[in-house]
Amino acid sequence: ETGVTQTPRHLVMGMTNKKSLKCEQHLGHNAMYWYKQSAKKPLELMFVYNFKEQTENNSVPSRFSPECPNSSHLFLHLHTLQPEDSALYLCASSPAEVGTVDTQYFGPGTRLTVL
Amino acid sequence: AQSVAQPEDQVNVAEGNPLTVKCTYSVSGNPYLFWYVQYPNRGLQFLLKYITGDNLVKGSYGFEAEFNKSQTSFHLKKPSALVSDSALYFCAVREKTGTASKLTFGTGTRLQVTL
Repeated sequence: ETGVTQTPRHLVMGMTNKKSLKCEQHLGHNAMYWYKQSAKKPLELMFVYNFKEQTENNSVPSRFSPECPNSSHLFLHLHTLQPEDSALYLCASSPAEVGTVDTQYFGPGTRLTVL
Repeated sequence: AQSVAQPEDQVNVAEGNPLTVKCTYSVSGNPYLFWYVQYPNRGLQFLLKYITGDNLVKGSYGFEAEFNKSQTSFHLKKPSALVSDSALYFCAVREKTGTASKLTFGTGTRLQVTL
């Protein structure tokens, strides 16, 4: 295992539901990321947090709301999603240390199905 | 904008034979290149990265990659394939975002190793 855990592993929700995805890293890293992986499409970077501050929002719709309370935890709050939001959501973390070429380590993902 | 291309959707190879998974890149400045592997229902696992120096990079599970600046390529190789190497392989290029990194991934190549 990579030291990055994600819960739940599977989630089925209706379009009117509100749910949250959780990511936790046990690697002492400073940066955390959310990606979306859809069939037949490249991985899409959604958000980047560095030292708890959001440094990247890749034009993600507001129905996805990230939260990073500390460098070890990252949440993705979901509300009023659309069926096309069904995908594998991957969390990653990286050391983000000055003077190094960063390597990201990924969690196992949450398989989201929106009905 | 930086990008990588994986020209093959799928590569088929017999166990024991050498394998190559192709990747070409387009960057401004020095390229920082990565290979990741994804097994079914799992997140991405880091295999190796090129920063600078030796054009042949060795990574996990017996994989290596050859950086070729004149051909702007970073092909993944293994001298002798195993059935357990069957998975989805992603090439990525790093764009620096402060100390954290922003990775742009290719579309992935499915490797199928048969007996």
